[in-house]
Amino acid sequence: AQKITQTQPGMFVQEKEAVTLDCTYDTSDPSYGLFWYKQPSSGEMIFLIYQGSYDQQNATEGRYSLNFQKARKSANLVISASQLGDSAMYFCAMRPSGSARQLTFGSGTQLTVLP
Amino acid sequence: KAGVTQTPRYLIKTRGQQVTLSCSPISGHRSVSWYQQTPGQGLQFLFEYFSETQRNKGNFPGRFSGRQFSNSRSEMNVSTLELGDSALYLCASSLALIRGDEQYFGPGTRLTVT
Repeated sequence: AQKITQTQPGMFVQEKEAVTLDCTYDTSDPSYGLFWYKQPSSGEMIFLIYQGSYDQQNATEGRYSLNFQKARKSANLVISASQLGDSAMYFCAMRPSGSARQLTFGSGTQLTVLP
Repeated sequence: KAGVTQTPRYLIKTRGQQVTLSCSPISGHRSVSWYQQTPGQGLQFLFEYFSETQRNKGNFPGRFSGRQFSNSRSEMNVSTLELGDSALYLCASSLALIRGDEQYFGPGTRLTVT
């Protein structure tokens, strides 16, 4: 079974500052993928970034980077230069490699960017 | 390229009724997955369809069912609705690659059961 833990129900950050959202996971699968999604109040889940468990380098996508520490089983999302539009719910998720598309989600972190 | 579309966006039903939700994946995507999101349980996986076959199923009662058509469009059906079925239902599509396969979500259908 897979489990994702996000221990920060809510976070505040000042506009233009960087913020780190925590995510730890537990799995017995030897190979897996880690994802971060953003969910604004409209409800749509927006894909942000992906990290494979065997990827040597941390993933980056524009202002988003994933701080992947495999031994610690953590996959923290770093948002640089926060913008007001970044205010949303953020979910960490994982999926075993292979044919199954099933994502296991964490409980989410509500990020509020302050002007 | 058009994104994942879901219809209807909002739905109000009465206990005991049944409902059908529709999801059209991104063109070329063959895998469609469904998720239920509630404040109490969070995001939970319902099932996944690939090439018209259910490939994976979450821990939901048999009242929840789905299907996929040859054009990859998918429907999910909930029979004998209960108040607890009120939720945001999200579908996601993907290319079904083995690695690095992002799932793209639709805007969701918000179901209210009264």
